[in-house]
Amino acid sequence: AQSVTQLGSHVSVSEGALVLLRCNYSSSVPPYLFWYVQYPNQGLQLLLKYTSAATLVKGINGFEAEFKKSETSFHLTKPSAHMSDAAEYFCASKRGSNYKLTFGKGTLLTVNP
Amino acid sequence: DTGVSQDPRHKITKRGQNVTFRCDPISEHNRLYWYRQTLGQGPEFLTYFQNEAQLEKSRLLSDRFSAERPKGSFSTLEIQRTEQGDSAMYLCASSFLGQGAGETQYFGPGTRLLVL
Repeated sequence: AQSVTQLGSHVSVSEGALVLLRCNYSSSVPPYLFWYVQYPNQGLQLLLKYTSAATLVKGINGFEAEFKKSETSFHLTKPSAHMSDAAEYFCASKRGSNYKLTFGKGTLLTVNP
Repeated sequence: DTGVSQDPRHKITKRGQNVTFRCDPISEHNRLYWYRQTLGQGPEFLTYFQNEAQLEKSRLLSDRFSAERPKGSFSTLEIQRTEQGDSAMYLCASSFLGQGAGETQYFGPGTRLLVL
C-alpha cells in the first residue's frame, strides 16, 4: 500500500525566508504526486502536481517542487515566504489509473513578520 | 467555472440524529469523491462515483453511511444515527475522466459536522 509522509507537522519561517516543506512517498512504482494548500475553514486548492513529464514542477503562488526518485521525495519550496502563505499544506499521491488520493498528515506553515 | 460546492457548510447535530450533505461537482466532471478529514489529519478517502455508479467504498464507510449520485450530477452523503466520532470535515471532490492518469481532483469547501 502506498503512503505519504510529511516531515514536520509545523514549520515556522520569517517573511521573506525560504519555505521548505518535506514530503516522502512510499511506493514500488513512482506515483503521481500532488501538493494542496488548505486555508482555515476552506477546502483544498491544488498548488502543483507531478505526472512524470518533468521532475521540477512549478505551481501557483511561486511554489515549486522537485521529484527525486532516488530519495522518494517531492519537497515543496518557495524562495521567499509571504504572510499570505500561512496555511496547511498537504502532500498526496495517486498510483497509475487508481483514482483515490492518499494524503499525508499535513504541515502547518506559519509566517512571522 | 463555479467550482465544487457543498451544502451545508456547517452542521451541528445531536448524537443519534441523521444528517445529509450535498455536493455539486464541476458541471462537466464525471468522477466524484467523498473524503473525511479529522483534526490534525489529512483527508481520508470514503467513496467514489463514476457518473452515477458507486465504484468503491472505503472500510471507513460503515453501514450507517450511504452515498448516492442519482443522475450522475450532484451527490448526497447521509449519516444515520450519528456518533460523536463522526465529527469531522466532509470534503467532496470532482475530476474529469479523460484528463489522464494524473487527473486533478478539485475540492469543495467542505461540510464541518459536529455531533454533540
